[in-house]
Amino acid sequence: AQTVTQSQPEMSVQEAETVTLSCTYDTSENNYYLFWYKQPPSRQMILVIRQEAYKQQNATENRFSVNFQKAAKSFSLKISDSQLGDTAMYFCALWDSNYQLIWGAGTKLIIKP
Amino acid sequence: ETGVTQTPRHLVMGMTNKKSLKCEQHLGHNAMYWYKQSAKKPLELMFVYSLEERVENNSVPSRFSPECPNSSHLFLHLHTLQPEDSALYLCASSQQGRSGYTFGSGTRLTVV
Repeated sequence: AQTVTQSQPEMSVQEAETVTLSCTYDTSENNYYLFWYKQPPSRQMILVIRQEAYKQQNATENRFSVNFQKAAKSFSLKISDSQLGDTAMYFCALWDSNYQLIWGAGTKLIIKP
Repeated sequence: ETGVTQTPRHLVMGMTNKKSLKCEQHLGHNAMYWYKQSAKKPLELMFVYSLEERVENNSVPSRFSPECPNSSHLFLHLHTLQPEDSALYLCASSQQGRSGYTFGSGTRLTVV
């Protein structure tokens, strides 16, 4: 069965620092996709970044980048130059051709001024 | 504006009431989803509709009844709910799941 594990329930860093959120997953598929979603206090779940498993190059979106280690089944999110607006719950998710995403439990990230 | 609109934003209902949650998407997506998000629990998928047909029903109690009249609209009809059903209910849509989902802002439901 597919699983997604986020081992850090909560993290906090100072504004402008870099922070890395961890995610590991398990799937028997070769072709799958990984996502990081952000859910700020406004409750809106927002797609942050997406990685296709068959692409070796790590995805990057502005200050957000991933470290995708396929053999280790690891998919961490790095936030550079963190901002107060980055405070949110962050969810890692896996999609592998079923009708649904498999979600991690989330990491609460607090950016301190 | 995210393209997926949920109403109402907040709902308080008694256990004997009947109410409906509404979700609307104008993204041209062909799949829609209902999720339940409770405090300190992972997101729970409730229902999936693909091309207006229900393709997934994750053992959700019959007091929750979904309806998808067309590819742009999704409803969740509620009746005789329990206090433990209080949660944030999120609607999402996708064109192809591998592209990711677009979510609405959710309905915060409180059952009293």
